[in-house]
Amino acid sequence: AQSVAQPEDQVNVAEGNPLTVKCTYSVSGNPYLFWYVQYPNRGLQFLLKYITGDNLVKGSYGFEAEFNKSQTSFHLKKPSALVSDSALYFCAVRDGPTDKLIFGTGTRLQVFP
Amino acid sequence: DTGVSQDPRHKITKRGQNVTFRCDPISEHNRLYWYRQTLGQGPEFLTYFQNEAQLEKSRLLSDRFSAERPKGSFSTLEIQRTEQGDSAMYLCASSFGQGGIYEQYFGPGTRLTVT
Repeated sequence: AQSVAQPEDQVNVAEGNPLTVKCTYSVSGNPYLFWYVQYPNRGLQFLLKYITGDNLVKGSYGFEAEFNKSQTSFHLKKPSALVSDSALYFCAVRDGPTDKLIFGTGTRLQVFP
Repeated sequence: DTGVSQDPRHKITKRGQNVTFRCDPISEHNRLYWYRQTLGQGPEFLTYFQNEAQLEKSRLLSDRFSAERPKGSFSTLEIQRTEQGDSAMYLCASSFGQGGIYEQYFGPGTRLTVT
């Protein structure tokens, strides 16, 4: 069965510093991986996805993610964090022909001014 | 606004009552999903429609739950005889699904509280 794991419940970073939110995956077949962000009382917003090709995927709001096949990881990164990036971040993997998503438990990112 | 919309945004009901939620997907999207999210957890898949056909249902979807998408456009999710354990955020998502790997776009969710 497909799964993703987010090992950190919370990540704290100072504004202006680089940030990394970790995700590891376990899949059979090709991994199709996604990152979503959730702000309070709002639905999930799509950030980026990995299908194939370049291991560095660029997405919305200056975020990028690095796909590493040997480490089965898909970490979310941003070179310079903003206070407004504070939110809940979810990693997800596509499962089956219906493209349903299997989500991780989420990582709360707190950016301090 | 051409995003996914859900109605109502909040619903408080007493145990044993029936509730129905509505989802309006992005108009050109033929795929529609329902997920459930409880506090501190990621969303969990409930069911999937391609056009009007319900093609997959999770084991989480007990007999008290039913979903429809009658004309391949909006969808409804009904919970009969609600239980306190049904309290959660119910999320709807849609995507375009023709021969590729497409991201899903989520609505704001319906927060259900069963008292």
